[in-house]
Amino acid sequence: AQRVTQPEKLLSVFKGAPVELKCNYSYSGSPELFWYVQYSRQRLQLLLRHISRESIKGFTADLNKGETSFHLKKPFAQEEDSAMYYCALTVADKLIFGTGTRLQVFP
Amino acid sequence: NAGVMQNPRHLVRRRGQEARLRCSPMKGHSHVYWYRQLPEEGLKFMVYLQKENIIDESGMPKERFSAEFPKEGPSILRIQQVVRGDSAAYFCASSPQVGRGTNTEAFFGQGTRLTVV
Repeated sequence: AQRVTQPEKLLSVFKGAPVELKCNYSYSGSPELFWYVQYSRQRLQLLLRHISRESIKGFTADLNKGETSFHLKKPFAQEEDSAMYYCALTVADKLIFGTGTRLQVFP
Repeated sequence: NAGVMQNPRHLVRRRGQEARLRCSPMKGHSHVYWYRQLPEEGLKFMVYLQKENIIDESGMPKERFSAEFPKEGPSILRIQQVVRGDSAAYFCASSPQVGRGTNTEAFFGQGTRLTVV
């Protein structure tokens, strides 16, 4: 069955510390993976997708097919990074989401 | 482009009443998705629609829930005879096209928070 797992409900770091939000997936085909972010009182929005291999707001994510992971990383967290982060997998034209990780960045 | 618009933002219904949730996709988008978020859980896929067609309703409960996306007007998620367990945030997303490799982004509305009392 297709599944996305985000093991951490909450991740708290201090400003300037490195951040890694974990995401593992289960999918028999070739995966298409995304990270979505929801800032306080705002709508869910796309942060990045593995196809683009891009860096957005300092965040990067590398698809590791051997470990079936797509962890989100940032070397130096900022206070404005505090938000809910969702990892998602495309299956048959729909998105399967993980349960989300709340990132808190303290000053 | 105003983005995906959902209304109402908050909806309170008594048990047994009907709830109607509306979603207007972004201009030019013909694909609409509905997701439900229960407290402490992630977003769960419910249904995927194109204009006048239901493409995938594998996430919809078998009873009381229905969805439509007519040729004109918004997409509607309808919940009949609501129960307390239907209380959740319901999110709509739209995209212009789908298909692997098209690199298409789904744009989300701000959601409707349904409370059943």
